[in-house]
Amino acid sequence: AQKITQTQPGMFVQEKEAVTLDCTYDTSDPSYGLFWYKQPSSGEMIFLIYQGSYDQQNATEGRYSLNFQKARKSANLVISASQLGDSAMYFCAMSRSNDYKLSFGAGTTVTVRA
Amino acid sequence: DTAVSQTPKYLVTQMGNDKSIKCEQNLGHDTMYWYKQDSKKFLKIMFSYNNKELIINETVPNRFSPKSPDKAHLNLHINSLELGDSAVYFCASSQIVRAGETQYFGPGTRLLVL
Repeated sequence: AQKITQTQPGMFVQEKEAVTLDCTYDTSDPSYGLFWYKQPSSGEMIFLIYQGSYDQQNATEGRYSLNFQKARKSANLVISASQLGDSAMYFCAMSRSNDYKLSFGAGTTVTVRA
Repeated sequence: DTAVSQTPKYLVTQMGNDKSIKCEQNLGHDTMYWYKQDSKKFLKIMFSYNNKELIINETVPNRFSPKSPDKAHLNLHINSLELGDSAVYFCASSQIVRAGETQYFGPGTRLLVL
């Protein structure tokens, strides 16, 4: 069974600083996708960034980047230049080639301080 | 225009009642999903439909019955509601069924069973 682990239940970060959210995964499937979603207090799930298991380069989307270390099975999200609007819960998720559902980690709550 | 929409946004009902949640996507996607987010914010897949055909059916009580009248709609009917059904239910869609395909979520339906 696949498993996603987010070990940081909550984090505080100063505005304009960078923050790294940890995510490790466990799968024996060679083909999989890794995703990060943001859930603000309003409740919606917002897609942030995607990394494919065969991608050679780390994914980047604006202030979001994914630090993909395949051998360690980690897919950490880096948010640069944090803004107050980044305060939210962040979920790491994975889908596999023969199992199209998203399996989610427990989430990390980020609070950005002014 | 909202890409994935759900109605209602809030649903408060008594134990034992039957209720439905509707989902519509205007992205032209082939695949739609239902996820449940419990009180601890844990997200789990319930069902998935691809081109109106059920492809994922996780261990969900048979009081839950999804229906996909067409590719753009996926409804969830719940019979004999129980207290434990209180949760946020998210609909999502993706273009095709594939591991790396991004799933886009609706705003969620907050169900409270009294």
